[in-house]
Order: sequence, then C-alpha cells, then structure tokens
Amino acid sequence: TAGITQAPTSQILAAGRSMTLRCTQDMRHNAMYWYRQDLGLGLRLIHYSNTAGTTGKGEVPDGYSVSRANTDDFPLTLASAVPSQTSVYFCASSDTTGADTQYFGPGTRLTVL
Amino acid sequence: AQRVTQPEKLLSVFKGAPVELKCNYSYSGSPELFWYVQYSRQRLQLLLRHISRESIKGFTADLNKGETSFHLKKPFAQEEDSAMYYCALSVRAAGNKLTFGGGTRVLVKP
Repeated sequence: TAGITQAPTSQILAAGRSMTLRCTQDMRHNAMYWYRQDLGLGLRLIHYSNTAGTTGKGEVPDGYSVSRANTDDFPLTLASAVPSQTSVYFCASSDTTGADTQYFGPGTRLTVL
Repeated sequence: AQRVTQPEKLLSVFKGAPVELKCNYSYSGSPELFWYVQYSRQRLQLLLRHISRESIKGFTADLNKGETSFHLKKPFAQEEDSAMYYCALSVRAAGNKLTFGGGTRVLVKP
C-alpha cells in the first residue's frame, strides 16, 4: 500500500506560470486536504474535500483551486504563480473529516521565481 | 476562530533530560487536540491525541481546559526524538478541520 503519493517532489516555476500539484491516495479515505508549510507558521489549510465531488476553502485559499472528481485524486492548481506561493505543499487524507487521524504525503517543494 | 500557539520555535536538550513542548489554544468549546511529528526525511505523522490518553514513545500530553493548554512531555529525551513537532486542534463547529501551531523543533544532543 503506497498511502499518499505526491508529484512532483520539487519544482521551480516562473512567476505567472500555472502548475498542478498531484495527490493520490489508495486508502479509500473520504476526506482530503492541501496544506502549505512555511517556517514559523506551521501548516495552513488551503483547500479540503470531505468527499468526492465536494470541495471547500481553508485558511489560505487565494490563488489556488482544487477538484475532487473521484475518491483517490485531489489535484491542487496554481493558475498564475506568484513568489509568495513558494512553500512546501502537503496533501493529506483521513477516513472522516478532521477529527480522525490525517495521513500525509511526502510533500512538494515549490519555488516561484 | 480557533488558534494554536507554540511559543518555542526551538528546544535544545541533552539526552536523558526532560523535555516539555508547550502548546496553547484558543477555543471556547470542546476541541480535540493532537500532536503531530515530522522526523528528518520522513512524513508528518500523528504522535498522539488527547482522547486516547495514551503514551507514545514515552511522550504524554494532558489537556488542561482551564489553562487551554496541551503540553507535550517526555521525562528522558532520546536522540531519536529530534524532530519537528506540531500541535493541532480540531473542532466540530469548523467541520473538524485541523488548525496547526507554528511548530517546535526539538534537538536532542548526545
């Protein structure tokens, strides 16, 4: 069982370009999440999905969009990247929303120049 | 809105010494509290949660509603405890999503 996989591992992106960070889980978890990790700020929730077909905004959603077409995949898209989006992005999933243990992917390190 | 504060960004202790990571939260209701840990080159993973009331890897944490705290403690630190630790809070009114603190890096010196 792979758990949660993320791709790419790292990426350097020019400002203004678009990019999609991929996240796939094989645990059949209902809920999935995207966080960004910044030094001193911990992890902040960008978007979440309680179940396939639904999504919601987290604490820092501006500049990001997500979709949840099926249970396994939860891609995060940056339509027009800006340097402030330089961060490490983590995808996570849980069997139910929030109160259950969240399982994290290995992260994607994104640098926007 | 709920908030989690970890006042120490870095804790450096010697092997065998006690270690305590502070976590304070702001929420007037009944939250669920967690500690997550990220070891070097590993994924973020759950360490313990207050409703389990268990000890994991020698760590314990007690929820103090009066002081709105959930400090993580270990009486004798080991070198393998060196990691980044995050306190997190979940409330049903917010859809059970997790709110994380800023994290504390623990360095256990030999």
